[in-house]
Amino acid sequence: DAKTTQPTSMDCAEGRAANLPCNHSTISGNEYVYWYRQIHSQGPQYIIHGLKNNETNEMASLIITEDRKSSTLILPHATLRDTAVYYCIAPSNDYKLSFGAGTTVTVRA
Amino acid sequence: GAVVSQHPSWVICKSGTSVKIECRSLDFQATTMFWYRQFPKQSLMLMATSNEGSKATYEQGVEKDKFLINHASLTLSTLTVTSAHPEDSSFYICSASRLKETQYFGPGTRLLVL
Repeated sequence: DAKTTQPTSMDCAEGRAANLPCNHSTISGNEYVYWYRQIHSQGPQYIIHGLKNNETNEMASLIITEDRKSSTLILPHATLRDTAVYYCIAPSNDYKLSFGAGTTVTVRA
Repeated sequence: GAVVSQHPSWVICKSGTSVKIECRSLDFQATTMFWYRQFPKQSLMLMATSNEGSKATYEQGVEKDKFLINHASLTLSTLTVTSAHPEDSSFYICSASRLKETQYFGPGTRLLVL
C-alpha cells in the first residue's frame, strides 16, 4: 500500500461539514484511495473510493488533488452517529487493505 | 447491497477448545474473503486472504495450523481458531470482495478465551 498520513483526531460540530484530510504522496498512478470508518465495536464500513476524479455518494464526497498526493473526505452534514475512526487507505495491486491509526472524529452537539 | 454477516457475534470458550467463526456474503458472490484481527485500542491487522476454492494465504507471523480458513463457496468462509488460548481473545472481522473490487466488512466476532 502507498503510505497514507492522517491527523490523529479532530472535532466537528453537529450539522456542519467535516473535512478529513489524507496525504498519500507516494501513491502510484493506478492505486485507488479508499475511505472506511469504524464505529466503536463494529466492523469497518465502506464510505467511498476514487482514482483521479472527485466522487460523491449518499454518504460523503471525496476530493482528490490533481497531483493525487492528497485527498479530502467531506461529510456534508455531520451527525453524532458519524463519530468514528476514519481510515484513508491506498491499497496496492494485491488489494490488501493496510489499516493505520486513522483519524478519530468526534462530532459534538 | 454488499452485506456481509458473521456468526456468532460473540463467543466465550474454554482454553484448549476450538472455535469456528462463519463469514457470509449475503447479496453478492465473494471471490475473495479476508480475515482480520483487532486487539483493544489497536487497528485492524490482516491475518489471511482466501480465494474461493484455493488455500488461504497467511500474513507473516500468523500460524496457519492454528487459524484454519476454509472458503468452500462464493458466499461462505470460515475461520477456526484451534486450541484457543487466552491470548487469542480478540475481535475477529472478515471482509468480502467480488473480483478484487471494494471490500465489504462483516460486523465482527468477539472471542473471549477463558
